[in-house]
Amino acid sequence: DVKVTQSSRYLVKRTGEKVFLECVQDMDHENMFWYRQDPGLGLRLIYFSYDVKMKEKGDIPEGYSVSREKKERFSLILESASTNQTSMYLCASSLPGTTDTQYFGPGTRLTVL
Amino acid sequence: EDQVTQSPEALRLQEGESSSLNCSYTVSGLRGLFWYRQDPGKGPEFLFTLYSAGEEKEKERLKATLTKKESFLHITAPKPEDSATYLCAVQTWGSGNTGKLIFGQGTTLQVKP
Repeated sequence: DVKVTQSSRYLVKRTGEKVFLECVQDMDHENMFWYRQDPGLGLRLIYFSYDVKMKEKGDIPEGYSVSREKKERFSLILESASTNQTSMYLCASSLPGTTDTQYFGPGTRLTVL
Repeated sequence: EDQVTQSPEALRLQEGESSSLNCSYTVSGLRGLFWYRQDPGKGPEFLFTLYSAGEEKEKERLKATLTKKESFLHITAPKPEDSATYLCAVQTWGSGNTGKLIFGQGTTLQVKP
């Protein structure tokens, strides 16, 4: 079974803090994704990566950056957290090819005070 | 612009009352359509992938079908444990090998005993 893990289930940070959210997958997937999910807005893609050290902006990259130094690990960084970044953050991974199914982690509920 | 719309937004059923959820899409070229189930506070869980019109897939009380414009998730004799939000997503040929998906807003299903 594919397993995607995220470093924290719940996180509380203060405005202006630098925040790291980590995601690890164990299935040797090339593609990894970071989404945020908010009521009424659905899943919105922040950044994705299709290879080590490769990254591309998604639909809402402002205020975020990412790092992918190893194939299995994809980190989302909030350089200076703001209250409007309070959200559920979801990581996913997929194997490019016929299926392209994305498998999701359990999510991190981030609250910025 | 590629778009995915799910209806209804919310659905309440009595246990045993069968119904269908709709996912309509307007995309340049459909590569695959995905259904996910999401429980509150958790990451989406993969259910099905459909690739071509006329294709059907089943899992327990769920059956997914695909036409050239929409997909249906049929729920037969639902049980309270089927209560969740069901997400539909599409992948287009234009996404290349990135694996990017376009998600609908979801349908929240509540099944009462």
